Amino acid sequence: AQTVTQSQPEMSVQEAETVTLSCTYDTSESDYYLFWYKQPPSRQMILVIRQEAYKQQNATENRFSVNFQKAAKSFSLKISDSQLGDAAMYFCAYRSGGAQKLVFGQGTRLTINP
Amino acid sequence: DAGVIQSPRHEVTEMGQEVTLRCKPISGHNSLFWYRQTMMRGLELLIYFNNNVPIDDSGMPEDRFSAKMPNASFSTLKIQPSEPRDSAVYFCASSLGRSLYNEQFFGPGTRLTVL
Repeated sequence: AQTVTQSQPEMSVQEAETVTLSCTYDTSESDYYLFWYKQPPSRQMILVIRQEAYKQQNATENRFSVNFQKAAKSFSLKISDSQLGDAAMYFCAYRSGGAQKLVFGQGTRLTINP
Repeated sequence: DAGVIQSPRHEVTEMGQEVTLRCKPISGHNSLFWYRQTMMRGLELLIYFNNNVPIDDSGMPEDRFSAKMPNASFSTLKIQPSEPRDSAVYFCASSLGRSLYNEQFFGPGTRLTVL
């Protein structure tokens, strides 16, 4: 079974600086998708960014980008120019290409210091 | 688009009572998921439906839990009888199965407290 590991329970960063959240996963499949979700205090789960396994180019969405290392099974999230509104729990998630089920990591709580 | 709608947002009940959580998926989406979030176990998939048919209910903790999807725009998750250990946030999510990423869009969740 696939597993997703987020080794940083908590992270903090100064406003306007850059922070990287780590995620590793375990799979024997070659076709899969990876996602980062944000959960602010409102508890709404919001999709931040997504990546297809067969795309070598790292996904980017404005201030959010990923470093996808397929061989290392690593999928880290970089947040540039951190803003107070970025404070939230961040979850990494995996989905097999032929399935619909999402497997989530344990989450990383990100604090932004003003 | 209104997004995924869940009700109630908060539910407080006593042990032994029946609890029904409701979900309206995004119009046009054909897959619906129920998740449970706790501090101890994180986010767990309970069950999901494709075209109103339950596909995988292996995450349903026990017979006290049941889920239905009578039509494309409505689903329920029922707990009967409820127990304190069922206290959690329950999320509903929907997706368009034939899209490339098949990404799931989540509702705001229902916070359930069983006393």
